[in-house]
Amino acid sequence: NAGVTQTPKFQVLKTGQSMTLQCAQDMNHNSMYWYRQDPGMGLRLIYYSASEGTTDKGEVPNGYNVSRLNKREFSLRLESAAPSQTSVYFCASSQNGIMGETQYFGPGTRLLVL
Amino acid sequence: DAKTTQPNSMESNEEEPVHLPCNHSTISGTDYIHWYRQLPSQGPEYVIHGLTSNVNNRMASLAIAEDRKSSTLILHRATLRDAAVYYCILEGQGAQKLVFGQGTRLTINP
Repeated sequence: NAGVTQTPKFQVLKTGQSMTLQCAQDMNHNSMYWYRQDPGMGLRLIYYSASEGTTDKGEVPNGYNVSRLNKREFSLRLESAAPSQTSVYFCASSQNGIMGETQYFGPGTRLLVL
Repeated sequence: DAKTTQPNSMESNEEEPVHLPCNHSTISGTDYIHWYRQLPSQGPEYVIHGLTSNVNNRMASLAIAEDRKSSTLILHRATLRDAAVYYCILEGQGAQKLVFGQGTRLTINP
């Protein structure tokens, strides 16, 4: 099993450009998450999807949209990138999104917005 | 969300035990205590979690104080591969999320 995969690994954007970060998991998990990590900081939740067909805002949702395409895939879209969105983006998944569950993280996408 | 307090950094030697402390004085009765670690340039990795009782797994042990206001992650025999940032996280009722602080950067000396 590949676990949680993310594409691309690295991306450079100009201010105002748009892009979509892709995430897929092969563990048959119901819940998926998007986090961002700024230099020297812990992760902050952007959006999550408790189950297929549902999405909810996390701590820092402004400037982002998400799509739970199917059970496997959860994408994050930046409609108009800003330098403040320069960060490392991690996707994660868990079995059912209930308390006490383990989250499994992908390797991350490093995004630089100029 | 209840907060955790961890030392910014710790250092230990290879093949010695490591005790990583975490204070969470505002923990509620239903909060889980999770530990994750993040190796350089990688995503976080689950280490261990518990609610009230001490827990052991193949990676580590988690010792939870009787009043649950603090906990300690124990790596029984550190290796160079254990050098990472370790996050102590409280998961609250209905939170559906893990709130990461800044963690403890653990350095292992050969």
